[in-house]
Formats: sequence, structure tokens, C-alpha cells
Amino acid sequence: QSVLTQPPSVSAAPGQKVTISCSGSSSNIGNNYVSWYQQLPGTAPKLLIYDNNKRPSGIPDRFSGSKSGTSATLGITGLQTGDEADYYCATWDSSLSAGVFGGGTKLTVL
Amino acid sequence: QLQLQESGPGLVKPSETLSLTCTVSGGSISSRSYYWGWIRQPPGKGLEWIGSIYYDGGTSFNPSLKSRVTISVDTSNNQFSLKLRSVTAADTAVYYCTRLYLAHSGSYPFDSWGQGTLVTVSS
Repeated sequence: QSVLTQPPSVSAAPGQKVTISCSGSSSNIGNNYVSWYQQLPGTAPKLLIYDNNKRPSGIPDRFSGSKSGTSATLGITGLQTGDEADYYCATWDSSLSAGVFGGGTKLTVL
Repeated sequence: QLQLQESGPGLVKPSETLSLTCTVSGGSISSRSYYWGWIRQPPGKGLEWIGSIYYDGGTSFNPSLKSRVTISVDTSNNQFSLKLRSVTAADTAVYYCTRLYLAHSGSYPFDSWGQGTLVTVSS
């Protein structure tokens, strides 16, 4: 059971928008920054979003992040078949003194 | 361009020690702007943070693994290493070495990853 809760799967049509939620508590998301990772099939994860809503160089603005209270959300607009991947949220948990991940969400672009 | 490459045995016997090394190229492991870490992913499952190290040897570990884990850094060879003792089948996973970027906010996102190496624990 992961400390951060994500939906197991989401789906949407090409060109549409999708959001992926990540729910935690005051010891993790509520008081720490959230990052998001994309893991394409058979590859290593890749940083998409850090500090809740910042994009590293090279990440298109189709990807966005937000945080409110003890939950965070990843948004992807203009969906492409190449966006099919597993997406993970992550943060620091101050009570556990550990980095923690969500269980991952599989995105299907129908 | 920064590259991280994991190396080590792909098969470890139960109760023995898993040892992996990450070689960093295209950047210095002694940079004060980064930490270096290990993350693992059991087959078909999610990601688990193992621990992280700074160039000066300062470390932090996942409490669930802390009693079995050692992470060390070799600045002369631009490498850092993981040792996980007393392994069981539950330690079978793809092990990734990563770089953690010290953001201005004080957070440490994992901004660069190795390709990962599968380690199987079996007799």
C-alpha cells in the first residue's frame, strides 16, 4: 500500500485532456513539494514536473502540475498516443523521513 | 550530457549481499548542486526510494531498508554504490541509480535516471 494514492488507470481520446490525482496527508504533500514522473513502457522514469508545477527544460507545456492542500494533480492536454505510460507522483514524507511515491497511474490514449 | 550507468550481478542468492555501482559520466559527482540516489521497482510494481548520498558522504535511507543498506561514494572514479544485505526474493527488482537536483525551493526531484538493471534473488 503506497503512502500516496493515485488512481490505477485513466483513459482519454487523442487530443483530449486528462488529469491524474495524487492524494496524501499533511506529513507529505501537505508540507512538501511534489514531483511527477513519466515511465514509458520498458524505460526508466523521466521527470515531468517538480516543485508542484515547474517543468524541467525540454518538457512541453502540455504537461502541468498543481497542488492544493494534501492533494496534487498532473494535467496533460492535447493527448498523443506517445503519452501512453505510467505516471508517478512523489514527495518527501516528514513523518517517515523518507521519499515516497504514489502507486502509479496507467494512462491509456484510446 | 549526463549519463548514469548501473553495473553489477544480475543474480544474487538469498541471504547474500546485492552490490551495484553507478558510474556517472558527463558531470561531476562532486557537484554541490546534486545528491545521488537509488530507487527500485519490483516487476510489475511501483517505485520505491532506497536512499541517497551527497558527495561528502552524507546519507539518508528509507527507514524500511535502513538496517540492510549501505550507500557510498567514490569521487575519484565518479561513482556511487549500493549494498543491500541479507536479500530475499522480495528484493528482486529493477534497480535505478538517479541524480537528485537541489532545487531553489529546497526540494530534491530525481532529475536524471540510469536505464536500470534487473537484479533477481534466487538460489
